[in-house]
Amino acid sequence: DTEVTQTPKHLVMGMTNKKSLKCEQHMGHRAMYWYKQKAKKPPELMFVYSYEKLSINESVPSRFSPECPNSSLLNLHLHALQPEDSALYLCASSPIFREGRDKNIQYFGAGTRLSVL
Amino acid sequence: AQSVAQPEDQVNVAEGNPLTVKCTYSVSGNPYLFWYVQYPNRGLQFLLKYITGDNLVKGSYGFEAEFNKSQTSFHLKKPSALVSDSALYFCAVGLRGGGNKLTFGTGTQLKVEL
Repeated sequence: DTEVTQTPKHLVMGMTNKKSLKCEQHMGHRAMYWYKQKAKKPPELMFVYSYEKLSINESVPSRFSPECPNSSLLNLHLHALQPEDSALYLCASSPIFREGRDKNIQYFGAGTRLSVL
Repeated sequence: AQSVAQPEDQVNVAEGNPLTVKCTYSVSGNPYLFWYVQYPNRGLQFLLKYITGDNLVKGSYGFEAEFNKSQTSFHLKKPSALVSDSALYFCAVGLRGGGNKLTFGTGTQLKVEL
């Protein structure tokens, strides 16, 4: 099973709202990622967690707050977003240092389509 | 630093004809390279990767790619295109020993017509 599950699939929020995106995987991967993707553009890396610790923050504004409560779950907490934050938010996971056919491969969820009004 | 270039925004090909989607990369070290495909309103789906070994890599759905170190290229190919191959294709590069960070190209929209 190479499934990464993201909820919700769609989210509409106002600029004063607080909401959270959720991501779950049960592949035993110890690296998890958040990406932001605008239409017809490549994914932009936001955060990387390795062994449940934040290892990369690509200078993301503090209105985005990631959390990795355990090795299977990744959250992205949203607060006071701007309309330009509207995008598809993708979660991915990958094994770390594991040999085998899926070494270094990032597996993506279907994404959460976020609209900020 | 690492970067990827996909020089074509769109590639059009007739069904049954061979297709090529181009990718060149730049890294200061030994790269690992990937192709992903994205269908509308979906996440990215892994197609194939090059880490080391044979320069010709075979992947899912009949796709293959050839790693060319001298030309720093990793073009995606398929001998016979299908209409269902129409999608957005991304090339990505990572650096061995560079953690888990991938850099994606700008994407190439493949359109396969009857």
